[in-house]
Amino acid sequence: DGGITQSPKYLFRKEGQNVTLSCEQNLNHDAMYWYRQDPGQGLRLIYYSQIVNDFQKGDIAEGYSVSREKKESFPLTVTSAQKNPTAFYLCASSPTGDEAPLHFGNGTRLTVT
Amino acid sequence: QKEVEQDPGPLSVPEGAIVSLNCTYSNSAFQYFMWYRQYSRKGPELLMYTYSSGNKEDGRFTAQVDKSSKYISLFIRDSQPSDSATYLCAMSGLTGGGNKLTFGTGTQLKVEL
Repeated sequence: DGGITQSPKYLFRKEGQNVTLSCEQNLNHDAMYWYRQDPGQGLRLIYYSQIVNDFQKGDIAEGYSVSREKKESFPLTVTSAQKNPTAFYLCASSPTGDEAPLHFGNGTRLTVT
Repeated sequence: QKEVEQDPGPLSVPEGAIVSLNCTYSNSAFQYFMWYRQYSRKGPELLMYTYSSGNKEDGRFTAQVDKSSKYISLFIRDSQPSDSATYLCAMSGLTGGGNKLTFGTGTQLKVEL
């Protein structure tokens, strides 16, 4: 079945540690995205990539980094510079960067203490 | 004022009721409108995708867009307990790719037996 796989589902880290969230898709989509979801707030865009080896900052990129070395993979690193890293992180993809409806993975819940 | 406003609920209805979920927006450039359903601890899944004004029906779901009032609605007929979830609206302009989507905060719906 085609889809987006995010792993792990739950992740716990100590403050000051970097952590990498995995996102893999087998939909053959060009565009991939990372969103953050917090209670009472809409989804906020962290980074997006419309093509391999290229990515752009979203609205809240500070404290995060990404890479896009393969079409199917778009890992997100939450660095120690991110002030409030505890959140639900969602990876999404779309066929191209111009097509709005997104397909989402099932998210990673990151808790930093 | 947020660009997209959505009542967070929770909205509780009896099984079989007609449910009306709504979003208002302020940006007149929005042309594409989406509704996503999100179950607890899961990623959002696309329910409806419409362009410009008018109605779109899919099974028990009807999406309605009124651009003159900057108001969109999702109606669910014959609601079922399995419809209990958070419903997110999302919208974008003509050049809207996934990086241009603006999301509402979501309405939590509970359908009771």
